[in-house]
Amino acid sequence: EDKVVQSPLSLVVHEGDTVTLNCSYEVTNFRSLLWYKQEKKAPTFLFMLTSSGIEKKSGRLSSILDKKELSSILNITATQTGDSAIYLCAVTYNQGGKLIFGQGTELSVKP
Amino acid sequence: NAGVTQTPKFQVLKTGQSMTLQCAQDMNHNSMYWYRQDPGMGLRLIYYSASEGTTDKGEVPNGYNVSRLNKREFSLRLESAAPSQTSVYFCASSEDPYQPQHFGDGTRLSIL
Repeated sequence: EDKVVQSPLSLVVHEGDTVTLNCSYEVTNFRSLLWYKQEKKAPTFLFMLTSSGIEKKSGRLSSILDKKELSSILNITATQTGDSAIYLCAVTYNQGGKLIFGQGTELSVKP
Repeated sequence: NAGVTQTPKFQVLKTGQSMTLQCAQDMNHNSMYWYRQDPGMGLRLIYYSASEGTTDKGEVPNGYNVSRLNKREFSLRLESAAPSQTSVYFCASSEDPYQPQHFGDGTRLSIL
């Protein structure tokens, strides 16, 4: 059965800390891996990683895809209270475009 | 700049009642999706429509039906609501099945 597993499930850090969130997957016919940030309401898109784009960076956030290890990490440096959210990892297939989501990691950044 | 609009935002139903959740997008996207989100379980795909005129089952389709009314609108129907369908429902759309999805703000549904 296809699955996406995130770790840790929750994390509490202080402002200025660096955090690493993990996502591993077992999916047949893998196409891409996506990261989303969910605050109070709608998830918002952060990164999409594919075979042709295994590393992405935007400001303090960066992500790497390891196709050999079937995993990805999301790094956040110099965390701020505004980074507090649930971070969701999802994987798509080559056929059909369905997404499978992991359980999410709830990040809390304390002042 | 509405993006993906879901109605209603909140709803309380009694067991056995029926209800349709509405979703509309104004981004001219071809693909649309319905998810449910339960604590500790991430988002689970209920149904999706890769393009206008097509619909397919996702991971948890039982107890639901969908209609892709036109390119903009994709509705989700609960024919006979059950307490296990208490959840937050999200609609999403994307340019095609392989592009990132844009989500609506969700509908919080409680079934008593």
